[in-house]
Amino acid sequence: GQQVMQIPQYQHVQEGEDFTTYCNSSTTLSNIQWYKQRPGGHPVFLIQLVKSGEVKKQKRLTFQFGEAKKNSSLHITATQTTDVGTYFCAGPGDYKLSFGAGTTVTVRA
Amino acid sequence: GAGVSQSPSNKVTEKGKDVELRCDPISGHTALYWYRQRLGQGLEFLIYFQGNSAPDKSGLPSDRFSAERTGESVSTLTIQRTQQEDSAVYLCASSPSTGDVYEQYFGPGTRLTVT
Repeated sequence: GQQVMQIPQYQHVQEGEDFTTYCNSSTTLSNIQWYKQRPGGHPVFLIQLVKSGEVKKQKRLTFQFGEAKKNSSLHITATQTTDVGTYFCAGPGDYKLSFGAGTTVTVRA
Repeated sequence: GAGVSQSPSNKVTEKGKDVELRCDPISGHTALYWYRQRLGQGLEFLIYFQGNSAPDKSGLPSDRFSAERTGESVSTLTIQRTQQEDSAVYLCASSPSTGDVYEQYFGPGTRLTVT
């Protein structure tokens, strides 16, 4: 079935630096979603990408969908302590989402 | 409006006991999902409901796990004869559609601890 893989599993970032997390699929995705889960919280929807090569920005977060619609990335600029948490990508698998294992981000002040 | 609610927020039970977890989805959402999340792990799909269709139970880890949903309303997840490996946060999510275009809205989860 549909599987999405995320790398890295852990991302330790110095406050103020940029980083990117990646999501890869073995099959072409009709769309991909990103969620954020703060420590002790529940996943919260961030964004959905649908079109090949699509790029969407939310303040310091930039989301990109690959041209082949098999991969996606989340780039965060000028990381802040509020960015701490686990970021999940999720692709449609049949009629339900298949979540990646997530990238857990910690920030050094 | 109100989001997805789950109860109880925390449940501590003894090994071998049965537990029942409740999820109230967002009104009007036809799809409802249950996930399990062990400490520091990702989301493990358990079961999916869509309207009055037969649920997708393919993620249930054993026959000790079952879930029900009446129409497009409340769902309950039941775990019989709980084991210590059942300890986890159980998350419920609802979505307005089964299509590819709608996000899932998660509840706060029920933290289950089996002693």
